[in-house]
Order: sequence, then structure tokens, then C-alpha cells
Amino acid sequence: EAGVVQSPRYKIIEKKQPVAFWCNPISGHNTLYWYRQNLGQGPELLIRYENEEAVDDSQLPKDRFSAERLKGVDSTLKIQPAELGDSAVYLCASSTQGRGYTFGSGTRLTVV
Amino acid sequence: AQSVTQLGSHVSVSEGALVLLRCNYSSSVPPYLFWYVQYPNQGLQLLLKYTSAATLVKGINGFEAEFKKSETSFHLTKPSAHMSDAAEYFCAVSYPNRDDKIIFGKGTRLHILP
Repeated sequence: EAGVVQSPRYKIIEKKQPVAFWCNPISGHNTLYWYRQNLGQGPELLIRYENEEAVDDSQLPKDRFSAERLKGVDSTLKIQPAELGDSAVYLCASSTQGRGYTFGSGTRLTVV
Repeated sequence: AQSVTQLGSHVSVSEGALVLLRCNYSSSVPPYLFWYVQYPNQGLQLLLKYTSAATLVKGINGFEAEFKKSETSFHLTKPSAHMSDAAEYFCAVSYPNRDDKIIFGKGTRLHILP
């Protein structure tokens, strides 16, 4: 089966510009996660979806970050406007009960 | 608050030597425990997981980890290091029947010396 697919792999933008990341989870995985991984750190959860419902977005900076998973399948994470401190790797993962997480390769964002 | 602590942000071992990466968790309830590996510019790959069955868990690439409740530890070991083991390793914890989210440690970078 195909893994979790993320695009783009790399993105360089100027500060104050918008950016969007896309994630296609494994087919049948109803739970989708977005994590942010800063350099030299472990991933930190931004938002978790159960199907199309965001059930945990407590760590999502809502002033500039937004996410959607309209049909309960693929998801988009957006930052508008981006700040220098947003430079990080954004990881998407999906899971279904009892089978553990599968991570995508991530999108490395550099804000200049 | 539940958390996971990895001792040592960098560990260096010689090729062929024992690999030991330490992980301790803080929790009042039994968690699920994971070890992930991340190669440069890659996502995270699951090495192994403990889900309340056997306390000694065998994973991929010759790695294994032992859950020790009395020590709240889940250290990762491999008898003989290989150059290809050089990577970042993350210990993680989740709590089934709660929110099921995974909490990661800060990671340990493993260096293999020739």
C-alpha cells in the first residue's frame, strides 16, 4: 500500500508570505495528524483529525495557522503570514486503531 | 504531565559495539511506548513498539527494547552497531483510551565511529 504522501518536500518563502502543505494519508486511516519538528527537537503535535473533525487543535497557533480535512481524507495545513520562527519540518501522520502511526517524509519549510 | 526523557542528545559508538539509547517516561498509568528512527531528510520510521504484551520487544534492523515498569524505562539496544545505524532516534509515548496522541522525546543522534 502507498504510504503517507506529503507535498511539497521543500519550500522556501519570504516572511509574511502564505504557504500551504498537503497530506494524503494511507487509505482507510481515519485519524490524521500534523506535527511540527523544529531543528534538533522531537515532533510536536499541531492538530489531530478524526475523519473530518479536528478533535485536538490546542497546540495550533490559530492566529496564523489553519488546517482542513474537508472530506475526511487528505488534508491541508496553511500558514498565513509566515514568520521566521515557522522554519521547521512539518510532518503528517495517519493511523487507524491498533495499527500505529505512519509518517510521511515531511515538508521542510524555510522562511527567509 | 506525561512526558518522555531521552538521556543524551548525542551518542557515539564504534562500529560493532553495543548500542544503548536511554528513554524514561513519566506516567501514572501504563503507556504504549515507541522507538522511531529518522534518517536525514526523511520522515519517521517505526522501529518497534510496546503495547502491554511482552516486555522485551524486537524491532527492525536488529534493534530491541525492554519495558521496565519499576524503572519507568524503555531503553533501545542493538548488540552490534553498523554504519547504517547512524541516524536520529526518538522515544515516544501514547496513552490508549485517552487521546491517543504520541508525545515524542527530544531525540538522540547516534554516531557510528569506524
